[in-house]
Amino acid sequence: EIMMTQSPATLSLSPGERATLSCRASQSVSSNLAWYQQKPGQAPRLLIYRASTRATGIPARFSGSGSGTEFTLTISSLQSEDFTVYYCQQYNNWPLTFGGGTKVEIK
Amino acid sequence: EVQLVESGGGLVQPGGSLRLSCAVSGFTFSSYAMSWVRQAPGKGLEWVSSVNDVSERTYYADSVKGRFTISRDNSKNTLYLQMNSLRAEDTAVYYCAKDSVGYYFEYWGRGTLVAVSS
Repeated sequence: EIMMTQSPATLSLSPGERATLSCRASQSVSSNLAWYQQKPGQAPRLLIYRASTRATGIPARFSGSGSGTEFTLTISSLQSEDFTVYYCQQYNNWPLTFGGGTKVEIK
Repeated sequence: EVQLVESGGGLVQPGGSLRLSCAVSGFTFSSYAMSWVRQAPGKGLEWVSSVNDVSERTYYADSVKGRFTISRDNSKNTLYLQMNSLRAEDTAVYYCAKDSVGYYFEYWGRGTLVAVSS
């Protein structure tokens, strides 16, 4: 099973700042990596797939990068609605696995 | 508009069974793989099971293998999850998700809560 490790667990930033979230895989997942955003009481929403492709309707301030075992989700300028939890997920191997999540909170 | 609506959750005793359903609309159901993902209260996301478009291939997390069965009825645009021998640790919100090319989750339902307790 591929373990996905997200860091940091919590990121404290102010609106307008840049957020950098990391996701590390225990072995290579090529570019088969997705990012999701989940707000309290809601289902997750797909942000990024194939490591760097934005899903339909996702604002340009969200970007993904990386391949192999190291991945990054960047939010260029935090808006109020961006303060929530983010998960990465690999789909290169079975079983599919998620990271533990990063919470972006208001500083 | 893509819609996925889960149903069938509820309170069940340990060792009991439940069958979840997910009714979908807004896309050609028979052309896409589908999955179930769960989230225990206050915890992260956990993939449970996936089925390909024509039910030739099914996949399960080790934590549910042998107890849960995923299936689909393409004539009814409905995905199912039969859950047997339920345990307390199966307590979670269960989400139905539409897969895209590659098993990532393009659209999600709102979820249905399964609580396993005596």
